[in-house]
Amino acid sequence: EPEVTQTPSHQVTQMGQEVILRCVPISNHLYFYWYRQILGQKVEFLVSFYNNEISEKSEIFDDQFSVERPDGSNFTLKIRSTKLEDSAMYFCASSFRTGDNQPQHFGDGTRLSIL
Amino acid sequence: ILNVEQSPQSLHVQEGDSTNFTCSFPSSNFYALHWYRWETAKSPEALFVMTLNGDEKKKGRISATLNTKEGYSYLYIKGSQPEDSATYLCAFRRSNDYKLSFGAGTTVTVRA
Repeated sequence: EPEVTQTPSHQVTQMGQEVILRCVPISNHLYFYWYRQILGQKVEFLVSFYNNEISEKSEIFDDQFSVERPDGSNFTLKIRSTKLEDSAMYFCASSFRTGDNQPQHFGDGTRLSIL
Repeated sequence: ILNVEQSPQSLHVQEGDSTNFTCSFPSSNFYALHWYRWETAKSPEALFVMTLNGDEKKKGRISATLNTKEGYSYLYIKGSQPEDSATYLCAFRRSNDYKLSFGAGTTVTVRA
């Protein structure tokens, strides 16, 4: 069964450094998402992306964050200058459509640790 | 911030017993309610997407019901097996949103 893949599985970065998290969504999917889960908290939405533009973003997704689909397969999340509070598990998800019966399919996540 | 609550936070069930737990969500501007099964170190696995009031969905021994008017959904596990041990997440989607708003999950531990 096709799946969403994320790399790396674990990223350790110094505070203030830039980090890029990578995702390969399911190949025929058109909608892409990033979520994160800070330890002990709920999974929270960051951004959704469709047709090469952001369709929705949360208040967390400030100017330090950006997303890109640089080619036909990858979907990336960049954090320009990381903060300690960016430490979390980051999940990429994709869906074929955004219609009412479509699940979002999640990857295994990237654990980001900011030192 | 949309208030999605799951209860209980965790539960233990004896192998072979049945169990259920709840998800509550805002009853206004309802679009869909998603259920996921999440095992440690794996990706959340989509179980159900529920859209209609009164919906009942079933996948093997797991089933779910939906009440959009009062804003709750139940997930049932019949004849629990050790492989059912996982965290079960519900996620609410509001009309005109792309995002899912998650509950904190119910962690189920099935004892052999």
